[in-house]
This record gives sequence, structure tokens and C-alpha cells, in this order.
Amino acid sequence: RKEVEQDPGPFNVPEGATVAFNCTYSNSASQSFFWYRQDCRKEPKLLMSVYSSGNEDGRFTAQLNRASQYISLLIRDSKLSDSATYLCVVPTGGGNKLTFGTGTQLKVEL
Amino acid sequence: EAGVTQFPSHSVIEKGQTVTLRCDPISGHDNLYWYRRVMGKEIKFLLHFVKESKQDESGMPNNRFLAERTGGTYSTLKVQPAELEDSGVYFCASSQGLAGGAPRELFFGEGSRLTVL
Repeated sequence: RKEVEQDPGPFNVPEGATVAFNCTYSNSASQSFFWYRQDCRKEPKLLMSVYSSGNEDGRFTAQLNRASQYISLLIRDSKLSDSATYLCVVPTGGGNKLTFGTGTQLKVEL
Repeated sequence: EAGVTQFPSHSVIEKGQTVTLRCDPISGHDNLYWYRRVMGKEIKFLLHFVKESKQDESGMPNNRFLAERTGGTYSTLKVQPAELEDSGVYFCASSQGLAGGAPRELFFGEGSRLTVL
């Protein structure tokens, strides 16, 4: 089993829609989790951190389910500018390195 | 404040040649990381420096890869001799020191795209 698994998508949604991505992780001892956003041919940038049950920032909500070992990212009222690849990231090796999922591609359309 | 900068942005070389990638982290960031994304695969960890010391190099593919961070400032990643499978995007990232064990945000450079022909 991969350390971090994501559905690669693409998810094609209309503007204004709500979309959710899931990510599963294998290490039950993991304490913190991150969602990074990566635009085409650009660098990954931190979108949200999740340290407890969840986190909310505007239209974005991240939730953690430790029992089932998955993290979700919910985007409400999606915008064209939300089109990107969303990377699920879990610190490993004592927190000194990050393990990335393959990313989920989101395309928001008119 | 300048972000993480990487050079070159794109390099095309022939199999067997040598390439050196450079990364300048954000000033004051002790932690410097190298990651790589091969086409179609996830971003994978290569190694981690704390200042000038290699903290973890478990992700380095083989001994054709050599990373250095002399003086604890910028870092170089040399591939010698390059093979076809080394093609990909090499990302450098930096962060401040760990706080209470919780990892801090990593700031990534735009990456160096390496094409080996």
C-alpha cells in the first residue's frame, strides 16, 4: 500500500459547484497533514494544514478521520481560479520530510 | 522578501553528461530539501540539509547524485553521469527550524526541469 494515495482525477466541475477530494495514508502514527496546491508548471504551495480534526479557511475545509486514516479537502463555490492539482502531503521520517500523493487534478469550467 | 530560487529553470543534456542544479533558499531558513518529480509520478523526497549537514539522504537514487550545501547557504545537486531516467523536475524547498516537533511550512522553488536525451 502506498504511503499516501489520492484519486488523480481529473475532476471537471462547473463554476459554483462544491467538490471534495479524499486522501488516504498508511502510517497511523502520522499527526499532521497538509494540502498543497500546484498550478501547471509551477511550484507546490501550501493551501492548508490539518493538525486535529479539521481546519476551515474561507471556501476551503479540510477534515481528518484518524480512525479511517483519510483526509478530505472540500471546496465550496468553486472558482475558475481553483483549477489546479491538489497534493495531499504527510510528514514522515520524524517530520523532517514530506511524502506526497500523486495529486488530484481539478478543472473548474464555465 | 525573495523566495526560493533555482537555477537553471530548464536543462537539456545528453546521456552521460554532467549537470549541476543550484538552489538558493529563503534567507534564514536552516532546512533545505531536494525533491524530484518524474513524469507521471508523485513528488519524491531526495534529501534534507540542516544548515550544512545532511540530515537525511535516504531518497537519493544512487551515487550518481551528489548534493552539497557548503556554508549552510545555497545548495547544489550534481548528477554525473546523467541517465535517461533522471529526467524530471527537481524542486528545492526550504523551511525554518522545527517548532516543538511540528513541521513548518515548506516553501518551494519553481523547480529545475531536467531533460536527458
